[in-house]
Amino acid sequence: EVQLVESGGGLVQPGGSLRLACAASGFTFSNSWMAWVRQAPGKGLEWVANIKEDGSQEYYVDSVRGRFTISRDNAKNSVFLQMNSLRAEDTAVYYCASQRVNFGMDFWGQGTTVTVSS
Amino acid sequence: QSALTQPASVSGSPGQSIAISCTGTSSDVGGYNFVSWYQQHPDKAPRLMIYEVSNRPSGVSSRFSGSKSGNTASLTISGLQAEDEADYYCLSYTNAGTHYVFGAGTKVTVL
Repeated sequence: EVQLVESGGGLVQPGGSLRLACAASGFTFSNSWMAWVRQAPGKGLEWVANIKEDGSQEYYVDSVRGRFTISRDNAKNSVFLQMNSLRAEDTAVYYCASQRVNFGMDFWGQGTTVTVSS
Repeated sequence: QSALTQPASVSGSPGQSIAISCTGTSSDVGGYNFVSWYQQHPDKAPRLMIYEVSNRPSGVSSRFSGSKSGNTASLTISGLQAEDEADYYCLSYTNAGTHYVFGAGTKVTVL
């Protein structure tokens, strides 16, 4: 059974940092692109970033490029999202998703909540 | 990069068929067969329903089907059931700046 479990969310002040983690199991992690998607309160889904199987390519939405960094550890079946210089508009539930289908997200974690507020 | 255009809401009676449209441009929906659809119930994670325009993952009911014509993709739900009441989002690969773009979402109501 595929499982994705996010952690690391919380309350942080504007300008602060958080590191999200996603632990994967039930599939060959090293063969899958991985993505982070967020959903602001009451809003729709927004793709944030994704990373190639071997970590050699990363892509970001414009609004987070230069502030967020996606990375992965295939030995630990985990993907991470380092979030720096956080803003109020980064407040959202952050989902980790596997991309075992072409340019789609086939399994999703339950999400972790990030709140940026003073 | 603007979100793909979806109707805010679509409704139907049990047993009916409904279609949700997702309109983009030649840079995304029209240019690639990389459109996927997601179902999201309140306070739940999204679930993949269709990928690569018309492919259905294992475990997804055959009542869900996808298609594309030009810059518009569509998700059709046949034999509407109460459990289909949820938000639905389309997603497309795009070559215009950002890598992916979601639709704004459509709320499906079963009357």
